Amino acid sequence: QSVLTQPPSASGTPGQRVTISCSGSSSNIGKNYVFWYRQFPGTAPKLLIYKNNQRPSGVPDRFSGSKSGTSASLAISGLRSEDEADYYCAAWDESLSGHPYVLFGGGTKLTVL
Amino acid sequence: QVQLQESGPGLLKPSETLSLTCTVSGGSTRSYYWSWIRQPPGKGLEWIGYSDYSGNTKYNPSLRSRVTISVDTSKNQFSLRLSSVTGADTAIYYCSGEPIFGVVVDYWGRGTLVTVSS
Repeated sequence: QSVLTQPPSASGTPGQRVTISCSGSSSNIGKNYVFWYRQFPGTAPKLLIYKNNQRPSGVPDRFSGSKSGTSASLAISGLRSEDEADYYCAAWDESLSGHPYVLFGGGTKLTVL
Repeated sequence: QVQLQESGPGLLKPSETLSLTCTVSGGSTRSYYWSWIRQPPGKGLEWIGYSDYSGNTKYNPSLRSRVTISVDTSKNQFSLRLSSVTGADTAIYYCSGEPIFGVVVDYWGRGTLVTVSS
């Protein structure tokens, strides 16, 4: 089965800019949109970025997404302590003909030092 | 504001069938894609599948042979059935919805822990 690879952890200090990568393949990121979710401990995930770089209403512009080829990135600028959470990328995968499915990355735990 | 609430047994024995229901309030089940996602304790997210109100479904290929997602518009609920469970199915199960048309937004239940143990 296909995989989306994220670093298990990332960190930064308040005010810094941090990026989280998500590496996939031609069957997922290479041909489909990337989504990013944020999950605080003990709570459900929430959509942060859709269609590679679009923010749902209410998501501050400190959060931005990008995609190039078979990789994507989430950038957080002006890091705040409340950004400490787990971040997941996701994309539709079409490696199995006629049976597309949503693939999640393994998640990145962001620590604000 | 759409609100979702999962319900169902929290403890199952191996080989039993997991059945969860997600009750939708504040919105119509006809207007959304309804998904189930699970998360083993301390681990990452796994997409199980989705359905719309007309029965258009897509499932994770690793679970397809055991999973059914269905929508009951009369009760404004949707459900998950996962057969022949094992310990590997122990997880927090989340229901989620996103509008078929219009503003991009997602709604999630709080999640319910299902433990499979003999």
